[in-house]
Amino acid sequence: SQTIHQWPATLVQPVGSPLSLECTVEGTSNPNLYWYRQAAGRGLQLLFYSIGIDQISSEVPQNLSASRPQDRQFILSSKKLLLSDSGFYLCAWTRDSVYEQYFGPGTRLTVT
Amino acid sequence: AQSVTQPDIHITVSEGASLELRCNYSYGATPYLFWYVQSPGQGLQLLLKYFSGDTLVQGIKGFEAEFKRSQSSFNLRKPSVHWSDAAEYFCAVGAGLSGGGADGLTFGKGTHLIIQP
Repeated sequence: SQTIHQWPATLVQPVGSPLSLECTVEGTSNPNLYWYRQAAGRGLQLLFYSIGIDQISSEVPQNLSASRPQDRQFILSSKKLLLSDSGFYLCAWTRDSVYEQYFGPGTRLTVT
Repeated sequence: AQSVTQPDIHITVSEGASLELRCNYSYGATPYLFWYVQSPGQGLQLLLKYFSGDTLVQGIKGFEAEFKRSQSSFNLRKPSVHWSDAAEYFCAVGAGLSGGGADGLTFGKGTHLIIQP
């Protein structure tokens, strides 16, 4: 069976510091991968998606970037965090021929 | 572009009572529709999905949803709620991978379900 992992689970970082959140999927190959951000009362906002290694599409221009160095690894990064980057970050994957997305447990980021 | 509206931000239901959560979507073609549930501090869990065929779909945990094309709706129902159903519920729409839908789902803003004892 497939599983999706995210770490860290929680993170508190000062403004201006770098960020690296990691997501990995097990039990499948060549998944489509997604990063969402969830802010209170605002639902889920799609940040990035990837259909393959080094193939990243950005949905919203912002202070964040994403990379996919391996088939089942998706990384969300920032060089300098802003207060507005605080939120709950969710990674998701879907198989190539089946469309429902499966979500990881999320990372709670607080920028102070 | 597709969009999803969940008109109820909060809903309070007594334990054992029936539940209906509303979802309206906007999409030009036949949509792929989903309901997800999120417990506090957790990721999203898929409850059910509609791609085609029978418009009444059954999901996990005793939930069901009905696709009504004429009303652009995909409401979630449960005949008798349990205290453990208290959570945030999200409706989502997608274009499907065959329709170029690799770019993710569009989510509603969620409905917070409160269960009264």
